[in-house]
This record gives sequence, C-alpha cells and structure tokens, in this order.
Amino acid sequence: DTEVTQTPKHLVMGMTNKKSLKCEQHMGHRAMYWYKQKAKKPPELMFVYSYEKLSINESVPSRFSPECPNSSLLNLHLHALQPEDSALYLCASSQGGGVSRNEKLFFGSGTQLSVL
Amino acid sequence: GESVGLHLPTLSVQEGDNSIINCAYSNSASDYFIWYKQESGKGPQFIIDIRSNMDKRQGQRVTVLLNKTVKHLSLQIAATQPGDSAVYFCAENLSGTYKYIFGTGTRLKVLA
Repeated sequence: DTEVTQTPKHLVMGMTNKKSLKCEQHMGHRAMYWYKQKAKKPPELMFVYSYEKLSINESVPSRFSPECPNSSLLNLHLHALQPEDSALYLCASSQGGGVSRNEKLFFGSGTQLSVL
Repeated sequence: GESVGLHLPTLSVQEGDNSIINCAYSNSASDYFIWYKQESGKGPQFIIDIRSNMDKRQGQRVTVLLNKTVKHLSLQIAATQPGDSAVYFCAENLSGTYKYIFGTGTRLKVLA
C-alpha cells in the first residue's frame, strides 16, 4: 500500500465554521506533511510532523491547527478562515528518520477547500 | 516552444519528440532533488530523484541532470506521449531537514 488518503476531497465552509481535514497512510512512514497549493502555483510547506511531534511550522496563522494523533493519521483543524485561504490542501508522508533525510514524499490527492 | 509570463510557464512539444524541462533551485544547502508530475485534480506524483553527489540519473524514459555550479536541474522525457501532459515541479530538500521546497512549475502540453 503506497497510498496517502485524504478526506474530504472537497470542502466548502463559511468564515465562522470549524472543520477538519484528515490524512491517513499505512506505509509505516514517520514523517507527515501539510502543504497548501493555490491554483497555478507550487505547493507551499505549512507543517511537518516527525514521530508524531511537530518539527516544522512555517509561520502558519493560528487559524490552522495541525494534529498528529498517531503515526498513521494527520489532521488539520480549521477555524475562522478567510476567503484567501481557499486552496488545495495536500498531505504527504515520507519514511522519516535518518540524518540525511533525502526521502521521497508521497502525496495524497488533496482537499479542495473553498471559504465563503 | 516555451512561453513564460504571468501564468504557469508552458512547454509545448510534438508527440514523439523529447522534452526538456528546466528548474533553477535556490539554496546551496540543498542536497537532494525530486521531480514531480501533477495532473489536474491530483496530488504530485514522484517521477525521479537525484542526490547532490551525482550529476545525472536515468529512469524509464526520464533523465535528470543536476548542475550544482549554477544551481540548475533539468528533466528530460524521451519520446513524449499524450499521457505526459501535466504540470512538472522540481523540489529541493534542505540538507538534514524535512523542508522540501517546490519550484514554480512548468506545464507540459503534448501536441498530437
């Protein structure tokens, strides 16, 4: 199984809503990532978890709150988002561990988020 | 040919021709590089990778070239097929970190 599964595929939410994006992998990977991708732009790194601990936060606004409940799951909790937060949110995983890193990232298909 | 501007750079090639997609990376501390293919509505898909101790790596129909002196990466696709139409991104990994930074991307259009 080389799949990263993201749910939901599409999400429409109002600026006062609270919602969560979910990501799951069963490859035994210990590093998991959230990326944000606007149309016709490259993916931008948001967060990285390594062994269920937050390793990188790229100065993401607090209205985005990541959570890694176990080694297979990654969530992104959304609250009080703005219309400019509308984008494709991608989850990825990699092997994790090792000094050099140098690991392939495996991506899910993403959640297309629209904030009204 | 290639067109650049406000939109995603686009490379148009005839089916059966070879394609060359270029990428300039930004950080001298990067020691690992990956090419990804992204089709509409999908996440990026791994194509080929290369470590900084190499300057060329070949896969099936694809070759990646790395020039560390000018911080340049290229992806060569042989005998381009309609199924190769997609957006291609290079990504650089900052040494010793989980930070993977993506380049701006190139849209490849294969003309029948």
